[in-house]
Amino acid sequence: DIQMTQSPSSLSASVGDTVVITCRASRSIGGYLNWYQQKQGKAPQLLISSASSLQSGAPSRFRGSGSGTDFTLTISSLQPEDFATYYCQQSYSVPRTFGGGTKVDIK
Amino acid sequence: QVQLQGSGPGLVKPSQTLSLTCAVSGGSVSSGGYWWTWIRQRPGKGLEWIAYIHDTGSSDSNPSLKSRVSVSIDTSQNQFSLKLTSVTVADTAVYFCARESPMDGESLDLWGRGTLVTVSS
Repeated sequence: DIQMTQSPSSLSASVGDTVVITCRASRSIGGYLNWYQQKQGKAPQLLISSASSLQSGAPSRFRGSGSGTDFTLTISSLQPEDFATYYCQQSYSVPRTFGGGTKVDIK
Repeated sequence: QVQLQGSGPGLVKPSQTLSLTCAVSGGSVSSGGYWWTWIRQRPGKGLEWIAYIHDTGSSDSNPSLKSRVSVSIDTSQNQFSLKLTSVTVADTAVYFCARESPMDGESLDLWGRGTLVTVSS
């Protein structure tokens, strides 16, 4: 199985801050990396697919980058609705695996 | 638009079989070449991929659960299902059904709300 390691596991930030979340795969996954946002009590929602493709309807302040084993999710100018947990997921091989999540809360 | 609605018992006894169904509305399980997926989230924990199935019947599952998992698809009812045998309290989780899209980097572009399943005697 490909292990996905996210960091940090949690962070506190203020509205307007820029936040960077990293995700590392245990071996190369090319660009098969997706990012999801999950709010409390809700299903995850796809934010970014294929490492950097922003989903329709997702705000442009979300940006994904990376390839191979190292990926980042950058949230610019954090908004109140962005406080949530973010997960990376590799779709390169089965079983699909997720990072442990990064909880972004209000400082 | 396409929606997924999971359903099934919220309480299952240890050693019994957990059975969940995900109904697809606004679209067909047979179109688009999607992989229909089950994922779970234990209380306060992260996401765990369980299994997926294609409308052709091809499927695969997580080796950690493989001996206990079966997935099926019913194109006539436009739904897909999960069975997990010999459950223990460790199988208590919210179970999500989702759609993996081949057109979008094999990402999970559509999710159901989730069904909480508690394993308890």
